[in-house]
Amino acid sequence: EIVLTQSPDFQSVTPKEKVTITCRASQSIGSSLHWYQQKPDQSPKLLIKYASQSFSGVPSRFSGSGSGTDFTLTINSLEAEDAATYYCHQSSSLPGTFGQGTKLEIK
Amino acid sequence: QVQLVQSGAEVKKPGASVKVSCKASGYTFTSYGISWVRQAPGQGLEWMGWISAYNGNTNYAQKLQGRVTMTTDTSTSTAYMELRSLRSDDTAVYYCARGAVTSFLDYWGQGTLVTVSS
Repeated sequence: EIVLTQSPDFQSVTPKEKVTITCRASQSIGSSLHWYQQKPDQSPKLLIKYASQSFSGVPSRFSGSGSGTDFTLTINSLEAEDAATYYCHQSSSLPGTFGQGTKLEIK
Repeated sequence: QVQLVQSGAEVKKPGASVKVSCKASGYTFTSYGISWVRQAPGQGLEWMGWISAYNGNTNYAQKLQGRVTMTTDTSTSTAYMELRSLRSDDTAVYYCARGAVTSFLDYWGQGTLVTVSS
């Protein structure tokens, strides 16, 4: 199965800062990489599909890039409500797999 | 609006079975598949498998093969996930989510906590 490795595992950031989370796949997955946000005691929510396509209703400060094995989620001008754990997910081949998550703490 | 509403929390003993439901609304049920994803306490997300609501085709995670069965009832737009021979490490929140087998998951249920304890 394809292994997704996110970095960092944890990051403490201040509001208005720019945040970058990376996700590396163990083999090429084209653009079949998606990003989710999960706040405490909530279900995950889709942010970005197919590496760079924003999902409906997602604030424009969230963007994604990459292809092949290296992907990035960028949050411009971080807001307090962005405190959450972020997961990448590949759907290139079965079984679908998720990264281990990146927890963002807002200072 | 698209909604997936799951059944309530369950407490089961080791060796028992659990069946979680996921009722869909706000879209044509048979036009999408349903994936099941679980999350152990304090842990990340684990894909369990997928079922086509169109024809019932399934694909299960290898580690759960033989213990999990996913079904749908198109008359009520409801998907089901049954897990048998429960063990303590099956304790988790179980989510259903809409999407094709090799695609993103765009809408998620609220989650169902299944606790396995003697």
